[in-house]
Amino acid sequence: SAVISQKPSRDICQRGTSLTIQCQVDSQVTMMFWYRQQPGQSLTLIATANQGSEATYESGFVIDKFPISRPNLTFSTLTVSNMSPEDSSIYLCSAVDGDIRHSNQPQHFGDGTRLSIL
Amino acid sequence: AQSVAQPEDQVNVAEGNPLTVKCTYSVSGNPYLFWYVQYPNRGLQFLLKYITGDNLVKGSYGFEAEFNKSQTSFHLKKPSALVSDSALYFCAAIASGGSYIPTFGRGTSLIVHP
Repeated sequence: SAVISQKPSRDICQRGTSLTIQCQVDSQVTMMFWYRQQPGQSLTLIATANQGSEATYESGFVIDKFPISRPNLTFSTLTVSNMSPEDSSIYLCSAVDGDIRHSNQPQHFGDGTRLSIL
Repeated sequence: AQSVAQPEDQVNVAEGNPLTVKCTYSVSGNPYLFWYVQYPNRGLQFLLKYITGDNLVKGSYGFEAEFNKSQTSFHLKKPSALVSDSALYFCAAIASGGSYIPTFGRGTSLIVHP
């Protein structure tokens, strides 16, 4: 099964700055996702990272705030731009090869990036 | 729109006792259902899934889940809880047609007391 390395694992940032989170998968996968997890709340999908094209964002998330890159089938980055304290959260990278409903492989997750904005 | 409900924010159980973590879903058509576990400072780990077939699904670490179509439920169970089972558990659902993106529940914190 795929192993996902995500970094940094945590960071404390100043208001107004930007941080780029990296996600590396040890095998080629068709689908990569970025989630936000806040305490006491469910995982919220930010976007699907598409290889070679613009990411597909969910309602409430925009490219200017959360630019995403996916240059190949094993790597993606999420940037949290112009950060404010409301962006303090855990950001999770996820990957699956094929359609989750039909794939023999489950959806894999990185260990997350714990982000605090001062 | 599909939704997943985990009605309990926290479940407490004594070690050695059976545990149940509840999940109900609302999706159009037949559901694909999943359980994940998250340990502190870690990502989610897959436990088990239901696609079709037997209503009782067995997964990792001795966990199992029972699909009940009439009650639209997919409760996670384990006959004998371990302290090491203490973690956050997430239920997720996908409809058989339409979007392939899973919907996750809010998560249930399981605390197993020695």
